[in-house]
Amino acid sequence: DGGITQSPKYLFRKEGQNVTLSCEQNLNHDAMYWYRQDPGQGLRLIYYSQIVNDFQKGDIAEGYSVSREKKESFPLTVTSAQKNPTAFYLCASSKGFSGNTIYFGEGSWLTVV
Amino acid sequence: DQQVKQNSPSLSVQEGRISILNCDYTNSMFDYFLWYKKYPAEGPTFLISISSIKDKNEDGRFTVFLNKSAKHLSLHIVPSQPGDSAVYFCAASVAGSARQLTFGSGTQLTVLP
Repeated sequence: DGGITQSPKYLFRKEGQNVTLSCEQNLNHDAMYWYRQDPGQGLRLIYYSQIVNDFQKGDIAEGYSVSREKKESFPLTVTSAQKNPTAFYLCASSKGFSGNTIYFGEGSWLTVV
Repeated sequence: DQQVKQNSPSLSVQEGRISILNCDYTNSMFDYFLWYKKYPAEGPTFLISISSIKDKNEDGRFTVFLNKSAKHLSLHIVPSQPGDSAVYFCAASVAGSARQLTFGSGTQLTVLP
């Protein structure tokens, strides 16, 4: 079945450590996205990528980094520079970048301890 | 500045009745609107969308209405079912730019049996 797979589902990190969240899609979508959701808030865009080897900062990119070496993969690294990393992270993808619906993965819970 | 607003954080409806979820936006450049449904600890799933050239789009029990002059859209669910209990996000995007969706903060719908 086609879809977006995020791993791990739950992750605990000590302060000062970097952590990488995986996102893989087999939908042959060109565009991929990372969002963050905090309680009582909407989804906020961290980074997006329209095509392989290209990505752009979203609204809240500080403290995060991404790579897009393959069409199907868009990992997100939460660095120690991110002040409030505890959140629910959502990866998404869309077929194109114009007039298309985006589809989400199941999400990853990151907790900093 | 929130460009997409869902002013009701929660809504309770009796099973079988109509659920009406509202969303207001401020950016007149938005031309594509979507509704997503989200269960706890899961990624949002796409429900229904509408282009600004239409004022209504229907899909089964779900209907989205768009009032461009009022910058308002609403999602109607008829009849409501207990399985509809979830958080509903509206989202909007602008043509011609990177299709980044701007999300509202969500409305928790509870359908009472």
